[in-house]
Amino acid sequence: GQNIDQPTEMTATEGAIVQINCTYQTSGFNGLFWYQQHAGEAPTFLSYNVLDGLEEKGRFSSFLSRSKGYSYLLLKELQMKDSASYLCAPLSGGSYIPTFGRGTSLIVHP
Amino acid sequence: DAEITQSPRHKITETGRQVTLACHQTWNHNNMFWYRQDLGHGLRLIHYSYGVQDTNKGEVSDGYSVSRSNTEDLPLTLESAASSQTSVYFCASSDPDRNEQFFGPGTRLTVL
Repeated sequence: GQNIDQPTEMTATEGAIVQINCTYQTSGFNGLFWYQQHAGEAPTFLSYNVLDGLEEKGRFSSFLSRSKGYSYLLLKELQMKDSASYLCAPLSGGSYIPTFGRGTSLIVHP
Repeated sequence: DAEITQSPRHKITETGRQVTLACHQTWNHNNMFWYRQDLGHGLRLIHYSYGVQDTNKGEVSDGYSVSRSNTEDLPLTLESAASSQTSVYFCASSDPDRNEQFFGPGTRLTVL
């Protein structure tokens, strides 16, 4: 089975930096996704990490440590529109199907 | 532009009725998925398909069925709707080479 743990809710101030952590246990490992989901909308792809290290994409970066079963999503220069749920989704070995965590609801306030 | 669509976007039905939710994608993806999303549970996999005539059960498949007669469509059928199936349903598709899933806009289903 799979176990995915991420905080339920976080708050941050506009312009600040926030780090959303995710720990996971999977049967084998094929990579890890982060998705963003605004209230009432579909999830949208943010990042995909297969190898250890940090991948940067604009204001968003994602980090992976395979040996520790740990990932984080780093959001810089927060904007009000970043208020959303962030879903951590690891891929088990030999699978095309990510398993989604319950998500972290991020609230950005002025 | 390629897209994935779902219909209807909202549906209210009664317990015991058969309901079919449509999903159509123009990405030409082989892989298609159905999820339900409920508060406190996140996205849970119902059924998935790796290609035409292929269907597989997911984590919460009881009471649901799918069929895949072409690449573009994966309809989800609730054989006899139950109140526990009130949820938001998302369809997704992915390219097997990339695994990134593209989601449809969702269908909000209420079973009374």
